[in-house]
Amino acid sequence: GESVGLHLPTLSVQEGDNSIINCAYSNSASDYFIWYKQESGKGPQFIIDIRSNMDKRQGQRVTVLLNKTVKHLSLQIAATQPGDSAVYFCADLNRGGGADGLTFGKGTHLIIQP
Amino acid sequence: DAGITQSPRHKVTETGTPVTLRCHQTENHRYMYWYRQDPGHGLRLIHYSYGVKDTDKGEVSDGYSVSRSKTEDFLLTLESATSSQTSVYFCAIRDRGAEKLLFGSGTQLSVL
Repeated sequence: GESVGLHLPTLSVQEGDNSIINCAYSNSASDYFIWYKQESGKGPQFIIDIRSNMDKRQGQRVTVLLNKTVKHLSLQIAATQPGDSAVYFCADLNRGGGADGLTFGKGTHLIIQP
Repeated sequence: DAGITQSPRHKVTETGTPVTLRCHQTENHRYMYWYRQDPGHGLRLIHYSYGVKDTDKGEVSDGYSVSRSKTEDFLLTLESATSSQTSVYFCAIRDRGAEKLLFGSGTQLSVL
């Protein structure tokens, strides 16, 4: 089946720098995308989402960019802080998939260097 | 975690024993899900429910059963636990008309 994947399993950045986490998806019918943050020992936490009729969406210190041409989305975190250390993963929604159409990527571990 | 309580948080059991995990929500959301999370696989759907007594299989449903007798409770049962079912199990909920899932804190299950 089609799946969502991530380019890098681990990303290490300096505190205060911007982080960019990438995600590729393969289902051209997907029209909704979402990013989750998962801290150690906790459940995934919603960060931001974007619909396919948008290219960019901003939240508090986070921005999601969607490039439908190459089926790629990215999560940008501005001024990375120690509390941003976590695994980040994306998911896409294929509405033809029924009540659950979300397909999850495997995750990128973001490590913050002091 | 968004009005979702999973119990127990940790469990160690032996191969061949039955295990039931509970998910309780206070959000009155229609849809409930059970996922397992394993290294290298990410989140994989086990079963989901789209209403009381309405459930369906996900991609890794073998060896698992579910029940939903009330809107707020979704139970996951391993009839005869195997070591391959050692995993972290997450419950998630979703409101009608919404796309995003809200997750519980997880249950760490070890089958020895």
